[in-house]
Amino acid sequence: GEDVEQSLFLSVREGDSSVINCTYTDSSSTYLYWYKQEPGAGLQLLTYIFSNMDMKQDQRLTVLLNKKDKHLSLRIADTQTGDSAIYFCAEIPSGAGSYQLTFGKGTKLSVIP
Amino acid sequence: NAGVTQTPKFRVLKTGQSMTLLCAQDMNHEYMYWYRQDPGMGLRLIHYSVGEGTTAKGEVPDGYNVSRLKKQNFLLGLESAAPSQTSVYFCASRTGTKNIQYFGAGTRLSVL
Repeated sequence: GEDVEQSLFLSVREGDSSVINCTYTDSSSTYLYWYKQEPGAGLQLLTYIFSNMDMKQDQRLTVLLNKKDKHLSLRIADTQTGDSAIYFCAEIPSGAGSYQLTFGKGTKLSVIP
Repeated sequence: NAGVTQTPKFRVLKTGQSMTLLCAQDMNHEYMYWYRQDPGMGLRLIHYSVGEGTTAKGEVPDGYNVSRLKKQNFLLGLESAAPSQTSVYFCASRTGTKNIQYFGAGTRLSVL
């Protein structure tokens, strides 16, 4: 079945770059997503990338997509303490009529001051 | 613009009690979803709806029922709560394009 894999934890120092990695299974997913969950809150869309793109940049965020390896990454430049959160990768699974999203288990990013 | 609102925010139930979680969205979205989030398990889809009057099962539907009588509301019911249903429940609604889901702040439920 569909599965989205992420490492569970990442720790970086304030000011460094963070790279969160994700592997997905469904090559037909039209879009791939990164969501952010701050403590005690719901998920919030951070960014997304269309499947025919290799890279998308939005201020401090850079998303890289390697369709051959089914690998998605999120790079956060100049990481701040406010970036401490759980980051979820998500894809649209095949056969779901694009109604659903499949989420990874989330990567908890801890930023050390 | 409130977006997606969930009530209540917290609840403690005894085993066997029933309750209903309410989700309301003011974005005129057709699609709505209920998820549960458990440590180490990520988000799992319970039920979803593709429009008023329709519902469908997700990955973990057992022990839950849902109703979508009005487009803006999606209700999640627990008829006889069990400790295994202790979780954080999230509702989401979706735009028609790009499958972007918008989430509520969550309901933290404990079943003793």
